[in-house]
Amino acid sequence: SYELTQPPSVSVSPGQTASISCSGDELGAKFVSWYQQKPGQSPVLIIFRDRERPSEIPERFSGSNSGNTATLTISETQAMDEADYFCQAWDSNNAGVFGAGTKVTVL
Amino acid sequence: EVQLVESGGGLVQPGGSLRLSCVASGFTFDDYAMHWVRQAPGKGLEWVSGITWNSGSLDYADSVKGRFTISRDNSKNSVFLQMDSLRVEDTALYYCVKDYGYYVSLDHWGQGTLVTVSS
Repeated sequence: SYELTQPPSVSVSPGQTASISCSGDELGAKFVSWYQQKPGQSPVLIIFRDRERPSEIPERFSGSNSGNTATLTISETQAMDEADYFCQAWDSNNAGVFGAGTKVTVL
Repeated sequence: EVQLVESGGGLVQPGGSLRLSCVASGFTFDDYAMHWVRQAPGKGLEWVSGITWNSGSLDYADSVKGRFTISRDNSKNSVFLQMDSLRVEDTALYYCVKDYGYYVSLDHWGQGTLVTVSS
């Protein structure tokens, strides 16, 4: 079965840039989405089709995908960005696959 | 405003059954695929099942294949998940989720309904 690998945690200082990787076999050939989940809340879509943002998501969130790795970048990170982030793609059998999630801590 | 309201969760013994329901509003329901995603307590997200707009394609995670059945009723803006032969490891918060289109992305999530499988 297809697997996506994320780092368990990332720490970033306020105002700095955080990068979260998501790796999978030939991931660049698939579309990747990213979701943000804060404690006690439902996940929120922040990036789809590798790099597109829903209109309500701030521009400081951006995405890329190439080769075996997709990356979510949070520029000018704010305290409110502290959350769990999950990458997601579809395998060849139309099954959804999530990464295990990355906890972003804003120090 | 898109709204997804789940119901049907509860406590059930191993081997038992539950039927989850999700009522959608705020968008043209029969234009979109729908999914169920679950999250065990303190764990990550796990995609469970998806259904295309016309029920032409039903897809399942390996962990639930043969035990769970997804369906939808476009006349009632509803999607369902029939869960049979439940196991302790099926304990989770189950989210109803709208697709951006056809298996593109999961763009709106409900608040979830909790399923607890325990003796």
